[in-house]
Amino acid sequence: GGIITQTPKFLIGQEGQKLTLKCQQNFNHDTMYWYRQDSGKGLRLIYYSITENDLQKGDLSEGYDASREKKSSFSLTVTSAQKNEMAVFLCASSIRDRSNTGQLYFGEGSKLTVL
Amino acid sequence: SQWGEENLQALSIQEGEDVTMNCSYKTYTTVVHWYRQDSGRGPALIILIRSNEREKRSGRLRATLDTSSQSSSLSITAAQCEDTAVYFCATEASSGSWQLIFGSGTQLTVMP
Repeated sequence: GGIITQTPKFLIGQEGQKLTLKCQQNFNHDTMYWYRQDSGKGLRLIYYSITENDLQKGDLSEGYDASREKKSSFSLTVTSAQKNEMAVFLCASSIRDRSNTGQLYFGEGSKLTVL
Repeated sequence: SQWGEENLQALSIQEGEDVTMNCSYKTYTTVVHWYRQDSGRGPALIILIRSNEREKRSGRLRATLDTSSQSSSLSITAAQCEDTAVYFCATEASSGSWQLIFGSGTQLTVMP
């Protein structure tokens, strides 16, 4: 089996600060995702990447940058943290399964708090 | 609207009861995923049902898919306390898309 490792697990930042979250997977999956989850709400897609060096915007990409320099890693940058922002960022990977998006494997999440 | 913007629905039942959670999706999809998220953890897939399957079972779980009404359901038979979790459905943004869109989810609490 494989694992998705997200770092850091907890991130505290200041308003206006640029903050970076990292994600590593050893499944050898082609596709990786970043989702944002606000308290009491569902998951919203920020960015995804079909393969190394590919980047695709999700519905929540404004205010974020992403980087996929290696197949195994996918980084997400909050370009300017918003005051009182609090959310969990979830990284996932998947393999294409026939013509469908296959099972997503998620990390444990990175919790962001902005003071 | 984006599903994820909506608040989680809450459902509370007694141990031993059956429960069904429903999911309606907005665009054509060839697959519906159902995920379970335990507190403090990332979601984990529990059932994946494709458009050529009307029903799929896994232990006490049963998923259905009705492509004509663009809806899916997840049923749990004889729920147990350890079934307490948030349950999400997820579908492709469009047919064959790489983008997986999650529903707003249901917080299921099973009481002893």
